[in-house]
Amino acid sequence: DGGITQSPKYLFRKEGQNVTLSCEQNLNHDAMYWYRQDPGQGLRLIYYSQIVNDFQKGDIAEGYSVSREKKESFPLTVTSAQKNPTAFYLCASSIVGGAYEQYFGPGTRLTVT
Amino acid sequence: GENVEQHPSTLSVQEGDSAVIKCTYSDSASNYFPWYKQELGKRPQLIIDIRSNVGEKKDQRIAVTLNKTAKHFSLHITETQPEDSAVYFCAASGGQNFVFGPGTRLSVLP
Repeated sequence: DGGITQSPKYLFRKEGQNVTLSCEQNLNHDAMYWYRQDPGQGLRLIYYSQIVNDFQKGDIAEGYSVSREKKESFPLTVTSAQKNPTAFYLCASSIVGGAYEQYFGPGTRLTVT
Repeated sequence: GENVEQHPSTLSVQEGDSAVIKCTYSDSASNYFPWYKQELGKRPQLIIDIRSNVGEKKDQRIAVTLNKTAKHFSLHITETQPEDSAVYFCAASGGQNFVFGPGTRLSVLP
């Protein structure tokens, strides 16, 4: 499991609360990604970052925010504006953006009630 | 932007038989086509990938073929085993895009 880590594995929150999911990598990768996965569904891109202090919205960025202050870290905040936040969240990194293998973290399962 | 379709969505095979999963993509600029395997509750892991300058790649029981003209690529698993049961995702990437297909749930029946 070394290389890219996410914490916590399970997270429970009440509706209306913001929550931040951690993603750290020690692979010296420039690019990092956040995906959302719902039961029986594919991977939908939330945000991605190709370099420190820069990030772009993916297909479903509404209700989420990110920061990239360090190369190793790409935390995701799920805000109260996200209508249906309960899901499995996967972080990934690649050596650079684009056509290279993405390495995934173990994921965080967020449940909001 | 890129759009990736994947078929079938579910696939059941008898142990020892072969399994084939097909993906199509829309962006002719895509040049990297990975396949990921995701076991229940686990992270997706790369099992094989192919770049557009190659038509076929094989790694033991797994192979991938690419038809650039038709914009489709396929995953072939031979001599399937119970541990092959998982969800398989294809993806297509070129430039800044990296788009996953919706996934195929493969069940290998004993």
